[in-house]
Formats: sequence, structure tokens, C-alpha cells
Amino acid sequence: DAGVIQSPRHEVTEMGQEVTLRCKPISGHNSLFWYRQTMMRGLELLIYFNNNVPIDDSGMPEDRFSAKMPNASFSTLKIQPSEPRDSAVYFCASSLVREGGVNGYTFGSGTRLTVV
Amino acid sequence: SQQGEEDPQALSIQEGENATMNCSYKTSINNLQWYRQNSGRGLVHLILIRSNEREKHSGRLRVTLDTSKKSSSLLITASRAADTASYFCATRASSASKIIFGSGTRLSIRP
Repeated sequence: DAGVIQSPRHEVTEMGQEVTLRCKPISGHNSLFWYRQTMMRGLELLIYFNNNVPIDDSGMPEDRFSAKMPNASFSTLKIQPSEPRDSAVYFCASSLVREGGVNGYTFGSGTRLTVV
Repeated sequence: SQQGEEDPQALSIQEGENATMNCSYKTSINNLQWYRQNSGRGLVHLILIRSNEREKHSGRLRVTLDTSKKSSSLLITASRAADTASYFCATRASSASKIIFGSGTRLSIRP
């Protein structure tokens, strides 16, 4: 199993540009999570999906952020337009969540975003 | 918002010593998990303890959970240089699928 795959690993973009981060979860996992990590705010949950449906997007900072999961094997996080304060490491994680069952999350290696 | 808070924020010990990290949380939980993050890498799941469990072991790791005090501890015995990393606790509320991470403890193992 290749694990959770994120792309790109690094992204440097100019303020105002659109940025798209991609994630391929582990096959068979039914939940997908997008986190953002910064020194100041630590790990923040942005949004999570269950069976491809967005369940909780209360962590999405503002309307500039959007996320989609068109199928069980792919998700995107888009920032449009990007701002310097969006600079962070963005992690995708997946898990198999079942009624009454508990499992840990498997994280991708992250995308380090720098907005200049 | 962060649910868990780790203590201490940073810990430096000699190789071979034991390392203990603590986590406190605020609301009722379904389970509590510990993760490790090496510099520049993603988080790796270490161990999960359910709310009805009090102690769990995995290799050199020992986790305790005290739901009355809303706290957990992670003990790493016989530490190694490779244990140098940040360690995070994460809690899953009883009625939620998501987990919320604490602020982490940076552990440094001196050779």
C-alpha cells in the first residue's frame, strides 16, 4: 500500500494565484480529512468527508478555501485567491470510520505551501 | 480549536532514559490517540486507547488514560535517538468522526 499520496510536495505561488492541492486516500478508507499546520496555530482541521460527502467544513478559514471529493480515491483543496497568510503545510489523512469502530488516521507527507 | 494540550511543550533527555509526555483534554471522548511527527514529515499513528481502557502497551510505548481527570500520558521507555520527534495527542469526541490534535511535545534525545 502506497499510503496517502499528496501532491505537490512543495508549492510556491504568488499572492492572488489559485492553488490546488491534491490527495489520494488509502483504498478502502471511507473518511478523508484536510489539516493545516503552522507554528502559530498548530494542526487545524479544515474539513472532512465521509463517503465522499463533506460532513464538517467549520474549520475552513474563509470562502477562498474550497474542497471537493468527486470520488472515493481523490480529493482537492483549492485556495483562490491565495494570500501570504495561507502559507503552511497542508496534510491530508484518511481513515476507515465505522459505527462502533475506532481506527487511527493515516497521514500523507503534506504539501508545503508558500505564498509570496 | 484545539482540544488537547500536551505537557511539556519541549523535553530533552539522554538516550536510554524514559520520556513521559502528558495530555489534557476538555470534553468527553470516545478514544484518545497518540501520533509522532518527524521533522518535515507527516504524522504517524502510534497507539489508540479507548475511553473504557486505562492502560495500553505497544513495544516501548505505554499509554495511560484517566477519564475522571481528562488526561493521558505517553511513556517511551529506553529512548533512542530515532525517537526524536514531536508527539501529539488527539481526541475523538463521543459523537464525532473527527479527531482534534493538541499542540504537541517536542522530544529531543541526546546521544
